[in-house]
Amino acid sequence: GENVEQHPSTLSVQEGDSAVIKCTYSDSASNYFPWYKQELGKRPQLIIDIRSNVGEKKDQRIAVTLNKTAKHFSLHITETQPEDSAVYFCAAPRGRSGGSNYKLTFGKGTLLTVNP
Amino acid sequence: EPEVTQTPSHQVTQMGQEVILRCVPISNHLYFYWYRQILGQKVEFLVSFYNNEISEKSEIFDDQFSVERPDGSNFTLKIRSTKLEDSAMYFCASSERTAGQPQHFGDGTRLSIL
Repeated sequence: GENVEQHPSTLSVQEGDSAVIKCTYSDSASNYFPWYKQELGKRPQLIIDIRSNVGEKKDQRIAVTLNKTAKHFSLHITETQPEDSAVYFCAAPRGRSGGSNYKLTFGKGTLLTVNP
Repeated sequence: EPEVTQTPSHQVTQMGQEVILRCVPISNHLYFYWYRQILGQKVEFLVSFYNNEISEKSEIFDDQFSVERPDGSNFTLKIRSTKLEDSAMYFCASSERTAGQPQHFGDGTRLSIL
């Protein structure tokens, strides 16, 4: 099955700085990589995702990069703001062999704190 | 924007009792999932469901768990005889299609077993 490792577990930055969170995955067949933001007591909210046919995707202050050869992908947040403070989870999907449904295997999360 | 809705938001139950957690997936979505999150830990997959049957389940999803789509809109998770270790946040998610498609999560049900 898929194994997803996420680093760092905590990250503290000053407002306006950039933040980078990295994940590695084990299953070379994985082809879709979402990032979720979870505020305390709330749902995981999809913030950006990338498919394996591209190396980078940007959405305003958020970007994700993917290196399929090395099996790692990263979340980049620029010009961080206090409201970016949350737990961020990466995930990778893998269905069972021959199956049509894909579960998400999540990383352990990164607690990002943006200090004003 | 369409959302996955879950009820109740919080369920408190005595150990050994049965609980049913309810979800209404996004209306045009065909794939449904349950995940759980123990406080302070990562989100863990429980089960996926498509075309009225389970597609995949994790080792957590033992004989005490079951899922059902009783009508065209609801998707339920039943725990037959709850244990203390079942205390967690349970999230329902749905996706329009399968591989490479975003899964959208509901707000969750916090299950507390006493």
